Amino acid sequence: GEDVEQSLFLSVREGDSSVINCTYTDSSSTYLYWYKQEPGAGLQLLTYIFSNMDMKQDQRLTVLLNKKDKHLSLRIADTQTGDSAIYFCAEGGYNFNKFYFGSGTKLNVKP
Amino acid sequence: KAGVTQTPRYLIKTRGQQVTLSCSPISGHRSVSWYQQTPGQGLQFLFEYFSETQRNKGNFPGRFSGRQFSNSRSEMNVSTLELGDSALYLCASSLSGEAFFGQGTRLTVV
Repeated sequence: GEDVEQSLFLSVREGDSSVINCTYTDSSSTYLYWYKQEPGAGLQLLTYIFSNMDMKQDQRLTVLLNKKDKHLSLRIADTQTGDSAIYFCAEGGYNFNKFYFGSGTKLNVKP
Repeated sequence: KAGVTQTPRYLIKTRGQQVTLSCSPISGHRSVSWYQQTPGQGLQFLFEYFSETQRNKGNFPGRFSGRQFSNSRSEMNVSTLELGDSALYLCASSLSGEAFFGQGTRLTVV
């Protein structure tokens, strides 16, 4: 199946690190993605990781992939109020633009 | 370069009507997929088109259809609208691996 699960809410203080977790079931997924959605907007691609990688770092963002446990995480360093949004993880294949999304984690950053 | 463009941004329709939504992908991207986003069901895959052919289809009734033109622009059509079709409809264009989404069309069925 293509079941992607995320916790619904996360609240952190400005300047702290945020860690958003995701579990997935489809071991054949080629790519795993993190998207950000602000109110009234579409999905913004933040980063993605190929399934044969363990970690990817991109400025304040660090993605960790534990393929054995089918666990993906997104760490945002020095979280800012502008990071407040809903974060979706998604799994997909290489040749097919067909993703399965988690329910989204609403990140609230308190000043 | 220009991103994914969806038109219109907002739409209000009456039950029983039909609607057509448009998506212009990023230049050079040949794959376009469509998603429905609702508070209750989250983001659900509708279908994907590649080089004018439907390559994948989600679990939606036949009232939901789409097509892709030779310039990769895509349209989706929903016939006999129901209240439950009210949602944000998102399209994504992809070249390989990365998929970029448009701002969506907010459809309200009254």
